[in-house]
Amino acid sequence: EVQVVESGGGLVEPGRSLRVSCTASGFTFDDYAMSWFRQAPGKGLEWIGFIRSKTYGGTAEYAASVRGRFSISKDDSKRIAYLQMNSLKTEDTAMYYCTRNGPYGGNSRADYWGQGTLVTVSS
Amino acid sequence: DIQMTQSPSSLSASVGDRVTITCRTSQGISRYLNWYQQKPGKAPKLLIYGVSSLQSGVPSRFSGSGSGTDFTLTISSLQPEDFATYYCQQTSNTPWTFGQGTNVEIK
Repeated sequence: EVQVVESGGGLVEPGRSLRVSCTASGFTFDDYAMSWFRQAPGKGLEWIGFIRSKTYGGTAEYAASVRGRFSISKDDSKRIAYLQMNSLKTEDTAMYYCTRNGPYGGNSRADYWGQGTLVTVSS
Repeated sequence: DIQMTQSPSSLSASVGDRVTITCRTSQGISRYLNWYQQKPGKAPKLLIYGVSSLQSGVPSRFSGSGSGTDFTLTISSLQPEDFATYYCQQTSNTPWTFGQGTNVEIK
């Protein structure tokens, strides 16, 4: 059974950093890109970024709202994708979701979603 | 960025009704259009990808159609478990963008 499980969310002060993780099982992790999305309380869905599989260079793309502050990485040996969030702002408060995507990342669908991890940025 | 205009933003319907949700994009996106269902407190779930392909395990009462800049999600006979919020998403270009959502409520 395909599963992705996020962890590492919590309360963090503005300007600080936080790393959330996404642990995958039930599929060949190396073969897939992984994406991150978020949803602020009571709002719609926002794409944050994705990281391609190594077959396609393992490169990442990001939304403008997080580019330069957030970075995505993928440890195929551990089957974990990471979202490193730096210089956090109060507007980054949201539920953060990890998804499995097609290997190239671009033009792909998010076919499996985790349950999400809540990040609250507040002093 | 590609803008996604989803309509209606909400609708009330009865069990058994046929429901149609539309999504218009600000430019052509080929067939890179997906639909997701989200229930309160839960993660989104992929229903339809590539405009009209049904994700494995999704009931056949869900269907997608469209081309160019105009797309439609249809639920042929609404069931109690279908009351949820539905989002369209384009993956033609980054940044990937979503419609604002359609909340389907019980009439």
